[in-house]
Formats: sequence, C-alpha cells, structure tokens
Amino acid sequence: QSALTQPPSASGSPGQSVTISCTGTSSDVGAYKYVSWYQKHPGKAPKLMIYEVSKRPSGVPDRFSGSKSGNTASLTVSGLQAEDEADYYCSSYAGDNNFEFGGGTTLTVL
Amino acid sequence: EVQLVESGGGLVQPGGSLRLSCAASGFTFSDYWMHWVRQAPGKGLVWVSRLNGDGSSSGYADSVKGRFTISRDNAKNTLYLQMNSLRAEDTAVFYCAGEFNPGGLGWGRGTLVAVSS
Repeated sequence: QSALTQPPSASGSPGQSVTISCTGTSSDVGAYKYVSWYQKHPGKAPKLMIYEVSKRPSGVPDRFSGSKSGNTASLTVSGLQAEDEADYYCSSYAGDNNFEFGGGTTLTVL
Repeated sequence: EVQLVESGGGLVQPGGSLRLSCAASGFTFSDYWMHWVRQAPGKGLVWVSRLNGDGSSSGYADSVKGRFTISRDNAKNTLYLQMNSLRAEDTAVFYCAGEFNPGGLGWGRGTLVAVSS
C-alpha cells in the first residue's frame, strides 16, 4: 500500500488531454509544496516532469502541467502523443526528512 | 553533464549485507541532498533514504530503518547505501537520485539487488 494514492491506469487518444490524480493527506501533499511527478518508461530511469507542484524542468514540454488542491495533486498531459505512454509517479515531501511516492499510473495512448 | 552511476548490486543471501555506491559527476556534489529510491520487480517506486550535502541530516523509510545506512564522501563525489539484514522483499533496482530541484529528483540508471538463497 503506497502512501500516496494514484489510479492504476489512465488513457486518452492522441491530441486529447488526460489528468492523473495523486491523493495524500494533510501531512504530506496538503502540507508542503514539494510535490513532484515522474515519467518512467520500462527499463529506463525515471524522468522528472514537474516539481514544486507546477514547475517544469528545462526541456519538459509545456503539454505537461501540475496543480494541487488540498490533499490532492494532479498532473495533466495535454495534446497526448504516442511517446507519452509510460508510467507516471507522484511524490511528496512528508516532513521529518521523509518522502513518499504514489503507486504509479500507467498512461495508455489509444 | 550531470551523471549518477550506481554500482555494487548483485545476488546476496537473506540476512546478508551489501554496499551500494553512486558516483556523481557534472555538478557540485556537496551542494545537494541525495536520495536512494528502489523499485521491486513489477512494482512501483519506493523512497528509501535521503542525506543532506554535508552528511549531517538523514531520513529513512520505516521499512529500512535500523537496517540501511546512507552516507557520502564529498571528496570522492560518491554516495553510499550500506544494507544489512537483507530480506527477500528488498529485491529491487536501487536508484541513486539528486535533489537538483526543490523536492524534484534527477536519477541514475540503477543497480539490481537480488536477495535469495
């Protein structure tokens, strides 16, 4: 059981938008701005897509956006492309030098 | 170019020990918090441990507390994870990651640890 709850799967057609949720508690997602999202393709290292809830590292397309409301963070992928098909993980600082990950969401581009 | 290269993984018997290393290059190693994160076969990412730049402050997941120790040698630009009392459920790819953005990690390619008799 992961500390942060994500839907196991999500899907959309090319060009559509899809949103993945990440639900925590008032001790992690709700308490801190340090929510991040990672993209992971099989056999590859995870890649940072969003940090501090909504900031994009250099090189990440602006099709990827993040937000937070209360204890739930969200990742939205707009203009879906075939290469967006991957596993996505959220992460949050949880205080006392601890971090948590969500269980991961498999995004399928139909 | 930022590089993180893990090593030290392998097959170990239950109850055994292993020390992972992560060689860092392309950035000022001592400036950054460093993490270990693992992924068991077919499972999701799980945070393991975190250490600040001068090695004075650390955190551990409950599942490894008392068994794993994170450390660093800033002169050698290397992060370590000493793993003792290993269990079958510790079998995973272990990733070294640097907190190059607040709360956001940049990753190495991982090293596989298999705990089995």
